[in-house]
Amino acid sequence: AQSVTQPDIHITVSEGASLELRCNYSYGATPYLFWYVQSPGQGLQLLLKYFSGDTLVQGIKGFEAEFKRSQSSFNLRKPSVHWSDAAEYFCAVAPNDYKLSFGAGTTVTVRA
Amino acid sequence: DAGVIQSPRHEVTEMGQEVTLRCKPISGHNSLFWYRQTMMRGLELLIYFNNNVPIDDSGMPEDRFSAKMPNASFSTLKIQPSEPRDSAVYFCASSLGGPGNEQFFGPGTRLTVL
Repeated sequence: AQSVTQPDIHITVSEGASLELRCNYSYGATPYLFWYVQSPGQGLQLLLKYFSGDTLVQGIKGFEAEFKRSQSSFNLRKPSVHWSDAAEYFCAVAPNDYKLSFGAGTTVTVRA
Repeated sequence: DAGVIQSPRHEVTEMGQEVTLRCKPISGHNSLFWYRQTMMRGLELLIYFNNNVPIDDSGMPEDRFSAKMPNASFSTLKIQPSEPRDSAVYFCASSLGGPGNEQFFGPGTRLTVL
């Protein structure tokens, strides 16, 4: 069965420090891969997505993600976090259709 | 564009009551999704409509839940009768076209069933 794993439930990072959120998926072929962000009381917003091609994907708000086929991973990174990056982040996969499977999410806290 | 619109934003009701959640997708989008978010189960897809037709309702928990999409600009999710375990945030999302296209999420409806 397809699954998405976000190993870190909660990460605390200092403002200005780098951030990396991990995502691993279990699926036979390379699915469509997504990262969404959810601010408190808000819906989900797409940060970036990967379908094929260049394995380093640039997204909005200064985020990037790298697809590594050998590790079945799609980790999200940001070189320097801002206080406004405090939110919950969801990795999601869709095999080749509409059906998104979400990871459990990682909550990011930014300290001053 | 106003984005996906959901109403109400918050709903508090008593067990046994009927609850209706509403969604207006982004104009021009032909796919609509209802999700439920809880601490225990995370984000779950409840039902997917394409061109107003329900394509996949395998995520609908039980017969107490029903969803309709009478036209391209409106959908409802109804729970009758409601139970405390239905308490969750319900999201509506819409997208255009085929697989892998971005789903745009509404702000959600926080439902509390007492």
